[in-house]
Amino acid sequence: QVQLVESGGNVVQPGGSLRLSCIVSGFDFSRFGMHWVRQAPGKGLDWVAFIRPDASDRAYVGSVKGRFTISRDNSKNTLYLQMDNLRPEDTAMYYCAKESLSPWDHWGQGTSVTVSS
Amino acid sequence: HSVLTQPPSASGTPGQRVTISCSGSSSDIGSSAVNWFQQFPGSAPKSLIYNTDERPSGVPDRFSGSKSGTSASLAISALQSEDEADYYCAAWDDRLNGWVLGGGTRLTVL
Repeated sequence: QVQLVESGGNVVQPGGSLRLSCIVSGFDFSRFGMHWVRQAPGKGLDWVAFIRPDASDRAYVGSVKGRFTISRDNSKNTLYLQMDNLRPEDTAMYYCAKESLSPWDHWGQGTSVTVSS
Repeated sequence: HSVLTQPPSASGTPGQRVTISCSGSSSDIGSSAVNWFQQFPGSAPKSLIYNTDERPSGVPDRFSGSKSGTSASLAISALQSEDEADYYCAAWDDRLNGWVLGGGTRLTVL
């Protein structure tokens, strides 16, 4: 079955960096677009970034442009989110999600990022 | 501040039909399909409706979606206690060139 497992979340100081990973199984990773979606504590969902199956195109929400980079390694079935210059408002649970019929067809369980001094 | 507007809460009694609205603009709902997601506390969201009115495999037909102009709705018929959850709408925004979501609606089954 489809599985997505995020990792890499941590507590980091403002201005710091983190790299999140999402290892997938149960489907042909190289054929599907992938997203990162986040949820601040007690708040709603926010889309963060998208990458095409062959990484030929990427898109970001305005608040992370220039600070976050989405990438993928199809040989390793792994999606990444490099987060630089982190801000307290980036504190959230970060989910990776597979795109298919729905933009977010299957979701991982999330990895927690806390930005605090 | 979410781009799409949902009521923060909704409620109904078992067996009742409830609807949750999602209001947007010409650049999002007005020009693209609407998707709905269900999330239980402490869990990851789940796809509930895609392409405005289609259900993924395994989603009961008690759940239905519709759209008119720049507004969309999620209807849940024959409400059950296990439907108590948060519901989110989402759509592609042509102006922002990204996905936008509603702030979520917490459904309570009384």
